[in-house]
Amino acid sequence: SQTIHQWPATLVQPVGSPLSLECTVEGTSNPNLYWYRQAAGRGLQLLFYSVGIGQISSEVPQNLSASRPQDRQFILSSKKLLLSDSGFYLCAWTRGSSYEQYFGPGTRLTVT
Amino acid sequence: GDSVTQMEGPVTLSEEAFLTINCTYTATGYPSLFWYVQYPGEGLQLLLKATKADDKGSNKGFEATYRKETTSFHLEKGSVQVSDSAVYFCALSDEARGSTLGRLYFGRGTQLTVWP
Repeated sequence: SQTIHQWPATLVQPVGSPLSLECTVEGTSNPNLYWYRQAAGRGLQLLFYSVGIGQISSEVPQNLSASRPQDRQFILSSKKLLLSDSGFYLCAWTRGSSYEQYFGPGTRLTVT
Repeated sequence: GDSVTQMEGPVTLSEEAFLTINCTYTATGYPSLFWYVQYPGEGLQLLLKATKADDKGSNKGFEATYRKETTSFHLEKGSVQVSDSAVYFCALSDEARGSTLGRLYFGRGTQLTVWP
């Protein structure tokens, strides 16, 4: 069976510090991968998606970047965090042409 | 562009009450429709789906029917339980030519609280 992991589960970082969140998927190959952000009391905002190694598409210009160094690994990064980067970050994956997305447990980021 | 509109929350109900959460969509093609549920502090879980008009998705007592004529996919449950308290998201698939495979558009979510 397939599982998706995210870490860390929670993170408190000062403004201006770097960020690295990791997402890995097990039990499948060549998944489509997605990063979402969920701000408090708001819906999901798609940040990045990837259909293969090294292939990253950005949905909105922002202070964040993403990378996919391996088939089942998706990393969200920032060089300098802003207060507005606080939120709940969710990673998700799909199989090929399927539209059913499967979500990880999320990382709660607080920028102070 | 494609989009989803959900009823504003929060929704507060007593246990065993009937639930309806409205969802309407705008799409140029023939999208698949989904309901996801998010329990406190967790990621989203797929609750049910429908892939074509008049399909009914169902799971755990929840139902939603894909209504093309009204562009709606309302979520219903006949008798809610305290354990149903969560945020519910309606979503549609991006079926436009050249779109990213598997891309979903989500509504803003509806918070449901059920009291015993």
